[in-house]
Amino acid sequence: DAGVIQSPRHEVTEMGQEVTLRCKPISGHNSLFWYRQTMMRGLELLIYFNNNVPIDDSGMPEDRFSAKMPNASFSTLKIQPSEPRDSAVYFCASSLVGLAPEQFFGPGTRLTVL
Amino acid sequence: RKEVEQDPGPFNVPEGATVAFNCTYSNSASQSFFWYRQDCRKEPKLLMSVYSSGNEDGRFTAQLNRASQYISLLIRDSKLSDSATYLCVPLYNQGGKLIFGQGTELSVKP
Repeated sequence: DAGVIQSPRHEVTEMGQEVTLRCKPISGHNSLFWYRQTMMRGLELLIYFNNNVPIDDSGMPEDRFSAKMPNASFSTLKIQPSEPRDSAVYFCASSLVGLAPEQFFGPGTRLTVL
Repeated sequence: RKEVEQDPGPFNVPEGATVAFNCTYSNSASQSFFWYRQDCRKEPKLLMSVYSSGNEDGRFTAQLNRASQYISLLIRDSKLSDSATYLCVPLYNQGGKLIFGQGTELSVKP
């Protein structure tokens, strides 16, 4: 079975550029979560969706960050414009809320903003 | 008070040792709990789910004390491959939101 798929796996960009991270959740899961992980702050929840609807975006650091989930099999996290302090590993996870709340994580996107 | 508190470690133990990690959580409404392990530069992976007072899976045992809002993970006969960071994770709400602790680092030495 395919797990959560994220792309790209690594991204290096310059300050001010737009960055788009992509995620395909596990088929059949109804919830999707975006996290960011740094050494200083650990694993932080940015936003999550239930049935493609954003439920809680209180973790999104600022307006430069936006996330969409146009359908059950795809989500994007966009940063525009990017800044060096956005450098982190971004994880996507999915789960079947209501039956099995365990979240399964993708391999992450390692973002470096120069 | 932090929502989830864990001893960051590191715990340095020899192979074959028994080691226990503790975790306290602040949300008394949390009903389900999980332990994840995370290897360096990798994604967190589910180790164990705890829905009642505890769970056991091979060398791993989790115990939950709801009255004290405390959960523990015991690893028996530790292996080199157990070296990782262990994350204590309460389920925050019915929407599936999880609250991740900062993790406890374990290093198992030969």
